[in-house]
Amino acid sequence: AQSVTQLDSQVPVFEEAPVELRCNYSSSVSVYLFWYVQYPNQGLQLLLKYLSGSTLVKGINGFEAEFNKSQTSFHLRKPSVHISDTAEYFCAVSEGYSSASKIIFGSGTRLSIRP
Amino acid sequence: GAVVSQHPSRVICKSGTSVKIECRSLDFQATTMFWYRQFPKQSLMLMATSNEGSKATYEQGVEKDKFLINHASLTLSTLTVTSAHPEDSSFYICSARDRQGGYNEQFFGPGTRLTVL
Repeated sequence: AQSVTQLDSQVPVFEEAPVELRCNYSSSVSVYLFWYVQYPNQGLQLLLKYLSGSTLVKGINGFEAEFNKSQTSFHLRKPSVHISDTAEYFCAVSEGYSSASKIIFGSGTRLSIRP
Repeated sequence: GAVVSQHPSRVICKSGTSVKIECRSLDFQATTMFWYRQFPKQSLMLMATSNEGSKATYEQGVEKDKFLINHASLTLSTLTVTSAHPEDSSFYICSARDRQGGYNEQFFGPGTRLTVL
């Protein structure tokens, strides 16, 4: 069965500094990987996804992530964060291609930006 | 992108009452919808998978008689929390998969915050 581990529950960063949010996954088959952002009291917004092809995926708001199959990782990065990036970030994985394939979420990383 | 709506966005009810939450795909047909539950400062836990015209598939540990799911059409799924109790208070989020979506694209609703007094 698939699983996702987000190694950091909280990441404090100064504004304009770079950030990396770590994500490792476990699966016995090929996976699709996602990063979602959740602002307070709101639903989820897709930041980016990896389906196939280039291992470096670029998403919205200046975020990018790199799929590393050998390390089973999908870390999220941004070279310079802004106060508005303060939110909860969830890494997620889905196995398979069928309509019934489920998305399983990691425990989340709270990114807090300090001025 | 595709839009998924939920109604209501917030609901407060008394213990022992039932609450229905609607999830709609507004501009696409969704063969499959998913229901998640999120406790404060925690991740989303998948509760059940709902397929149009058939019974929902519940995750282990989720009481199917407690959380009734109906997926009557390709654009609507409902979650009914029966005989709600304070421990059912949570943020419920649905998602829908685009029927024509290539592959696994799921779109999430804005969530419904349920408070049971």
